[in-house]
Amino acid sequence: LAKTTQPISMDSYEGQEVNITCSHNNIATNDYITWYQQFPSQGPRFIIQGYKTKVTNEVASLFIPADRKSSTLSLPRVSLSDTAVYYCLVGADFGNEKLTFGTGTRLTIIP
Amino acid sequence: GAVVSQHPSWVICKSGTSVKIECRSLDFQATTMFWYRQFPKQSLMLMATSNEGSKATYEQGVEKDKFLINHASLTLSTLTVTSAHPEDSSFYICSARDQGQGTDTQYFGPGTRLTVL
Repeated sequence: LAKTTQPISMDSYEGQEVNITCSHNNIATNDYITWYQQFPSQGPRFIIQGYKTKVTNEVASLFIPADRKSSTLSLPRVSLSDTAVYYCLVGADFGNEKLTFGTGTRLTIIP
Repeated sequence: GAVVSQHPSWVICKSGTSVKIECRSLDFQATTMFWYRQFPKQSLMLMATSNEGSKATYEQGVEKDKFLINHASLTLSTLTVTSAHPEDSSFYICSARDQGQGTDTQYFGPGTRLTVL
């Protein structure tokens, strides 16, 4: 899996949009970008996956520039319940690959 | 989405005893499951890959005789921590590969917190 770099922590106020950027300079042609969310004492939860441009689901949006060397997870109007660690992973076969979790970004939502 | 369960959610045991943790895929079949360990304030570390009907593949540094993995069916994998010691206290998380309905990704269980006294 391509190595990823994320900010270690971020703070945001409730109701704001939060953007977490992930760098993956060595991403390969066949690689997808996947984001997971983890609450304390829980397993990671799949949020979103994309290959290029923009992907949106009911939880978040994922923006991927043309060169795909970075990606941005966008959480609209965050609430206190969005406080968690967010992991960015890059790989070609998420079902079968051994996932390597980096440090992740610890997002804290402030009331 | 696909659901993965783990049992128990937490367990406390005495040093020297063995503990079994179950990982089940509830609404899909999983030929491959993975076991991770996570220490406080740290990221997940892959321990082993479990394939149904075959031996597990362990990551470097993980003792296969201490962490026994069995994947006897397409919906169940078990991790047995043998002769547990306090340093084995950790949060153990499994994931299962879902290949159904045009998807191929891993879904994670809720984790099992093991405390060894």
